[in-house]
Amino acid sequence: DGGITQSPKYLFRKEGQNVTLSCEQNLNHDAMYWYRQDPGQGLRLIYYSQIVNDFQKGDIAEGYSVSREKKESFPLTVTSAQKNPTAFYLCATAPGAASRNEQFFGPGTRLTVL
Amino acid sequence: GQQVMQIPQYQHVQEGEDFTTYCNSSTTLSNIQWYKQRPGGHPVFLIQLVKSGEVKKQKRLTFQFGEAKKNSSLHITATQTTDVGTYFCAGTNDYKLSFGAGTTVTVRA
Repeated sequence: DGGITQSPKYLFRKEGQNVTLSCEQNLNHDAMYWYRQDPGQGLRLIYYSQIVNDFQKGDIAEGYSVSREKKESFPLTVTSAQKNPTAFYLCATAPGAASRNEQFFGPGTRLTVL
Repeated sequence: GQQVMQIPQYQHVQEGEDFTTYCNSSTTLSNIQWYKQRPGGHPVFLIQLVKSGEVKKQKRLTFQFGEAKKNSSLHITATQTTDVGTYFCAGTNDYKLSFGAGTTVTVRA
């Protein structure tokens, strides 16, 4: 949303290449999340981070990696080990625990692997 | 792990009619959130339900949380073209959300 930036909006890569998707926020939120969205499957959690220098695997972490070196940034790398990387990737933030707080979503990056 | 099922997957509605989308969890939820995603857009938070049996209204939208905190519903009255989009429920547990597959709503004018 207004305080969450994901770039680029569309990204094309060749099969076998790693690619890093950026997510930047100026909301001063502690928690950040990466989701993957495929048609008819809703949003699936890839990785999440509750605090700087700490992150946890979500439900579909295989073939992805993340880092959280700064509070504002949570980049996602889609590696060549990810078998079906073509998807819509959404970054989200929350001021605290998911159980008590709404999540704010960025505009998303649509990745196409050729 | 926690699974959240949502039905129907698609809802085609005549403008002015009512409809309901349902959300069911395999486990008891701490609370439930609802989001709306317009075509080509990103999910936007609508509401959070916390208490057993809770009912909340937002204009033409009525959200309900089941007594056992394992199901929820969203009812829209007098559907308008602005209601087009996909509605997701998401069950919360600790620091994660588990999203349903969504109900995609189209409206016939």
